[in-house]
Amino acid sequence: AQRVTQVQPTGSSQWGEEVTLDCSYETSEYFYRIFWYRQLFSGEMVFLIYQPSFDTQNQRSGRYSVVFQKSFKSISLVISASQPEDSGTYFCALSANSNNRIFFGDGTQLVVKP
Amino acid sequence: AQTIHQWPVAEIKAVGSPLSLGCTIKGKSSPNLYWYWQATGGTLQQLFYSITVGQVESVVQLNLSASRPKDDQFILSTEKLLLSHSGFYLCAWSLRGNTGQLYFGEGSKLTVL
Repeated sequence: AQRVTQVQPTGSSQWGEEVTLDCSYETSEYFYRIFWYRQLFSGEMVFLIYQPSFDTQNQRSGRYSVVFQKSFKSISLVISASQPEDSGTYFCALSANSNNRIFFGDGTQLVVKP
Repeated sequence: AQTIHQWPVAEIKAVGSPLSLGCTIKGKSSPNLYWYWQATGGTLQQLFYSITVGQVESVVQLNLSASRPKDDQFILSTEKLLLSHSGFYLCAWSLRGNTGQLYFGEGSKLTVL
């Protein structure tokens, strides 16, 4: 079975602070990818970053990076120098190589205060 | 550049009425296509996916059906809407070799009364 859990329903930060959003997952697949998406208030979903299971290096893309703890089946999204425009709901998603099923967590709603 | 467009943006429909939602992808040939449903404030539930024209796999049964009549078109439909169909429907595409990295349309908000 595959499952994604985001235990923080909400989060907040001040402008310029670093934000960490947590995600844990369950899978029996050897090869998988973990993705992070942000949903804007309009409903639009935007891809942010992904981590392949075979890569021990934490991925980074602009102000986004991840902390991947494979043995604990957890991954955190880190947003550096957060801005009010970063506000929105952040979803963690799991995709395993063996099929086209993509599982999403419940999301964390982030508010960055000016 | 690839673009994905969903229609309609919003619908208000009566229980028992039919529904058709669509999305079109331009600038990418033979993409994987997906339909997701999201209750207000909820997670995304995958409904269907398609890897080629004419072939659609169902992930959950919600009294909905999907079809892919053309390589760049994905249709979600039902003949009889239920109250539980209300929500936000998102169409997405991905490359064949990188399922999970999804590119979403703007979404269609459905209210069933």
